[in-house]
Amino acid sequence: GNSVTQMEGPVTLSEEAFLTINCTYTATGYPSLFWYVQYPGEGLQLLLKATKADDKGSNKGFEATYRKETTSFHLEKGSVQVSDSAVYFCALSDRDGTSYGKLTFGQGTILTVHP
Amino acid sequence: DGGITQSPKYLFRKEGQNVTLSCEQNLNHDAMYWYRQDPGQGLRLIYYSQIVNDFQKGDIAEGYSVSREKKESFPLTVTSAQKNPTAFYLCASSKGDRNNSPLHFGNGTRLTVT
Repeated sequence: GNSVTQMEGPVTLSEEAFLTINCTYTATGYPSLFWYVQYPGEGLQLLLKATKADDKGSNKGFEATYRKETTSFHLEKGSVQVSDSAVYFCALSDRDGTSYGKLTFGQGTILTVHP
Repeated sequence: DGGITQSPKYLFRKEGQNVTLSCEQNLNHDAMYWYRQDPGQGLRLIYYSQIVNDFQKGDIAEGYSVSREKKESFPLTVTSAQKNPTAFYLCASSKGDRNNSPLHFGNGTRLTVT
């Protein structure tokens, strides 16, 4: 079945540092890939997505590129801010024709950014 | 504003009692989902519904039940058969279309069973 593996956290950075959160996946077919962010006490919000190989999703300074050859979708940001402190989830969609939109999530990576 | 409303935010129950979590959306989405979140385990799918009056089990459906009588509503009942019900429960909706439209999430209900 489908699975998503994220790098172990928590990740602690100083403000303006470079961020990478690794994500690799296992899937049959050609899934869409997503990064969601969860701020304390809230639900998840879509951060960015990519629907096919070599697509780059980007939003709020975050980027991730769909790499089919390495089955990866690593999240990057050049300069993090304190307000980026949250839990980040990598996810893939099911495209089996019977359940569009059903997502498989990674375990989440906690990011803490210090001033 | 359109969105998903989950209520209540915090819920406390005694062991052996059934409890129902509410989820309402006004986004006109066809598909709705219930996920459970536990520390270090990410989100796991409990049940999902692609259309009114139809729903399917997810990966961890045992001890849970749902109904989908209206497009806007997808309540989740945590029964006494659920072995470890204390968790953070998230409801989501999407267009459920072939374009893999993203999920929109509510702010969750934290259930504590003692």
